[in-house]
Amino acid sequence: DAKTTQPNSMESNEEEPVHLPCNHSTISGTDYIHWYRQLPSQGPEYVIHGLTSNVNNRMASLAIAEDRKSSTLILHRATLRDAAVYYCILRDGSSASKIIFGSGTRLSIRP
Amino acid sequence: NAGVTQTPKFQVLKTGQSMTLQCAQDMNHEYMSWYRQDPGMGLRLIHYSVGAGITDQGEVPNGYNVSRSTTEDFPLRLLSAAPSQTSVYFCASSSHLDRAYGYTFGSGTRLTVV
Repeated sequence: DAKTTQPNSMESNEEEPVHLPCNHSTISGTDYIHWYRQLPSQGPEYVIHGLTSNVNNRMASLAIAEDRKSSTLILHRATLRDAAVYYCILRDGSSASKIIFGSGTRLSIRP
Repeated sequence: NAGVTQTPKFQVLKTGQSMTLQCAQDMNHEYMSWYRQDPGMGLRLIHYSVGAGITDQGEVPNGYNVSRSTTEDFPLRLLSAAPSQTSVYFCASSSHLDRAYGYTFGSGTRLTVV
């Protein structure tokens, strides 16, 4: 399984944008980039995914580097409810595949 | 839709006891997985299944058994509980038809082994 590298923790101010980086230098051509987040005392929830192009949804945006070896999850206007652990995961889209979680980035939001 | 339903939400076991954690999904998802999360740690994959009758081991399978007789259900059995199995257990499912999409997780079972 291709691995991802994320910073252990990040802090941001409320109502400011947050950029969460992820490196995945061994990504293969069929790997989708997925982001999940886990709020305190809850199960992980899917945030967004992409393959090559940048993606937007109601929760966040995903910016993917041209060589696909890194990506950035963007929260446009952080709220206190965005404080969570964010996981960047690669999922092989060409075959039956499991997903393996890394240690993620713990995001803290300052009021 | 109910999504992924896990039962029970909380359980206390004595060392050596056995039990089954239940997981059911109503989305007709082919893929299902079990994870454990120890306090302050990330999720580790225990077992997973890509369809009824097909299961495989994940990162930490020892001490656990699974079976997948139907698409909807994926129970996790603890054979002889040990204190090291104290953890929060999450079940997840995902579509087979579009492997790009994400997993849906249950709300977890908090297990304490004394």
